[in-house]
Amino acid sequence: EVQLVESGGGLVQPGRSLRLSCAASGFTFDDYAMHWVRQTPGKGLEWVSGINWNSGNIGYADSVKGRFTISRDSAKNSLYLQMDSLRAEDTALYYCAKDTHYDSSGPDYWGQGTLVTVSS
Amino acid sequence: QSALTQPASVSGSPGQSITISCTGTSSDVGNYNLVSWYQQHPDKAPKLMIYEGSKRPSGVSNRFSGSKSGNTASLTISGLQAEDEADYYCCSYAGSSTWVFGGGTKLTVL
Repeated sequence: EVQLVESGGGLVQPGRSLRLSCAASGFTFDDYAMHWVRQTPGKGLEWVSGINWNSGNIGYADSVKGRFTISRDSAKNSLYLQMDSLRAEDTALYYCAKDTHYDSSGPDYWGQGTLVTVSS
Repeated sequence: QSALTQPASVSGSPGQSITISCTGTSSDVGNYNLVSWYQQHPDKAPKLMIYEGSKRPSGVSNRFSGSKSGNTASLTISGLQAEDEADYYCCSYAGSSTWVFGGGTKLTVL
């Protein structure tokens, strides 16, 4: 059974940093691309970042480019999102999602999310 | 990276069919066969219903189908059931390793 467990969320002041983690199990982590997707409470989904199986292809939404960095560690079966220079508009539930393909064909399985609140 | 356009809401009676549209551009929906559809119930994580435009994951009812014409993708749900009431989101590859979601559609089963 695919399991994705996000952690690292919390309350942070504007301008500060936070690092999200996603522990993956139930599938061969190295064989799939991965994504971070966020959802503001009561609002829609926003794709944040994605990384293919070997970290050779990485993409970011314009809203986070230059501030967020995605990475993965095959030894730990984990996905990360380093979030710097956080803004109030980054407040959201952050989901980790597995792709259907090694290079990227779209998310399939999702975790339950970790909540990030940016406020002074 | 502009969000794909979906109707805010659609409704239908049990047993009927409904279609949710997802309009993008020639840079995303129109240029790739990489549109996914997700169902999200309140306080739950999204669930994949359709991927690569028209493929159904194992375990998803064949009442759900996907298609595309030009820059618009569509999700059709036939034989509506009460449990189908949820929010639905489309998502498309937009080039350069980026993806874009639609704004979401609230489906009400009358």
